[in-house]
Amino acid sequence: KNQVEQSPQSLIILEGKNCTLQCNYTVSPFSNLRWYKQDTGRGPVSLTIMTFSENTKSNGRYTATLDADTKQSSLHITASQLSDSASYICVVSATTSGTYKYIFGTGTRLKVLA
Amino acid sequence: KAGVTQTPRYLIKTRGQQVTLSCSPISGHRSVSWYQQTPGQGLQFLFEYFSETQRNKGNFPGRFSGRQFSNSRSEMNVSTLELGDSALYLCASSFPGQGARGYTFGSGTRLTVV
Repeated sequence: KNQVEQSPQSLIILEGKNCTLQCNYTVSPFSNLRWYKQDTGRGPVSLTIMTFSENTKSNGRYTATLDADTKQSSLHITASQLSDSASYICVVSATTSGTYKYIFGTGTRLKVLA
Repeated sequence: KAGVTQTPRYLIKTRGQQVTLSCSPISGHRSVSWYQQTPGQGLQFLFEYFSETQRNKGNFPGRFSGRQFSNSRSEMNVSTLELGDSALYLCASSFPGQGARGYTFGSGTRLTVV
């Protein structure tokens, strides 16, 4: 069964600290993995996308890693800011005959405190 | 260029009523997908339209339906509303062949059923 599990469910950190969010998946056939940031009441915004052959991708203070062998991904946030407070969603896509299927994790809710 | 536009942003309906939500994709994007997001269930895929045809469908009852017009704009309809239909409804658009990279969400329509 295609599944995406994220941990932790929620996280509270102090401004300026680093943190790492985890995403484990069982999706086949794997096409790519994307991390989204979703502010409360808004639509998700893409942070990074990685295909099977990529094992790291950065977007400013956000760095995503992918281990396709263990089917794990992480999102590392460096020097957190108050504006990083949001939900972070891991989405894995599978593709069969050109048709994409998207499997969403339930997200990690991050709260950055001053 | 303009992003994905969803209207209305907020909606309050009574149980038993029906509702229609609208999504205008990014210019040039021909695929539109709809999602339901609730605190307990996270993001759940409703359906995807491409060139006015439903290409994929999630596991939702027949009360949820959609359509896509020749200009790629899409509407989602929910009939006989239930309290549990209260959620943030998101649509995302993508360019053919870029189902992964060009996947952009709108800000959503917040539906409250009372």
